[in-house]
Amino acid sequence: AQKVTQAQTEISVVEKEDVTLDCVYETRDTTYYLFWYKQPPSGELVFLIRRNSFDEQNEISGRYSWNFQKSTSSFNFTITASQVVDSAVYFCALSEESMNDYKLSFGAGTTVTVRA
Amino acid sequence: DAGVTQSPTHLIKTRGQQVTLRCSPKSGHDTVSWYQQALGQGPQFIFQYYEEEERQRGNFPDRFSGHQFPNYSSELNVNALLLGDSALYLCASSSLSGSGYNEQFFGPGTRLTVL
Repeated sequence: AQKVTQAQTEISVVEKEDVTLDCVYETRDTTYYLFWYKQPPSGELVFLIRRNSFDEQNEISGRYSWNFQKSTSSFNFTITASQVVDSAVYFCALSEESMNDYKLSFGAGTTVTVRA
Repeated sequence: DAGVTQSPTHLIKTRGQQVTLRCSPKSGHDTVSWYQQALGQGPQFIFQYYEEEERQRGNFPDRFSGHQFPNYSSELNVNALLLGDSALYLCASSSLSGSGYNEQFFGPGTRLTVL
C-alpha cells in the first residue's frame, strides 16, 4: 500500500505566486517523521524540512512553510512568492519509528514549474 | 565539509552484465542507504547498511547486493542486469545510528542505463 500520496503531478505558476504542495500519509506508528525534499534538474535530493509526529506546530522558514495535521494525515508544504529557482520536483517522505524500520518512503513527487 | 559523493556519474551497460556503484557518506555519518529512482517516480528503498551489515532491505531481488567498508563507504552491486534496472541510483547517509529522526543526506546519484 502506498504510504505517501502526492495527488498533484504537476503545478505551474508565475513568479511571485504562492505554491502549495499536498501530501497525505498513512501509518500505524505513533512516532514517525515527515520530510520534504527538493530535486532540481541536477538530480540530487535536497532536504528542506522535517517534522515529527509529536509536534504539530506549523512554522515558517524563510519562504517555506508547512501545515501538519494529524487528524487528516496531511503534511502540506507552501512556497511563498515563488521564484524561477524553485522549479524542481518536490517529494514528501515518511520515516516510521517502528522497530527496524529506518527507510524513507517517498511519494511520487510533484513537478513545480515557475515561469518568469 | 564534503557531502555525499557517488561514482560514477553515468554508466551504460548491456543486459546480463554486472555493475558496481560506489558511495562515500558525509563526514561524521555512519549509515548508508541506497535508493532506486525510475524515471518520473519517487525513490524506492533498496537497503541500508550500518556497522558493515545490511540492517534493512526493501522489496528488491537478490540480484541487488551491497557492502559497507570500515570507513563507512558503501558499494551497490547489481548482477544479471535487466532493462528495468535502468534508473537513477541514489545513496544517502545519516548519523546517530540512522534513526528516523535524522534526515538522510543524498548524493548526486548514478544514472544507470541498461541497453
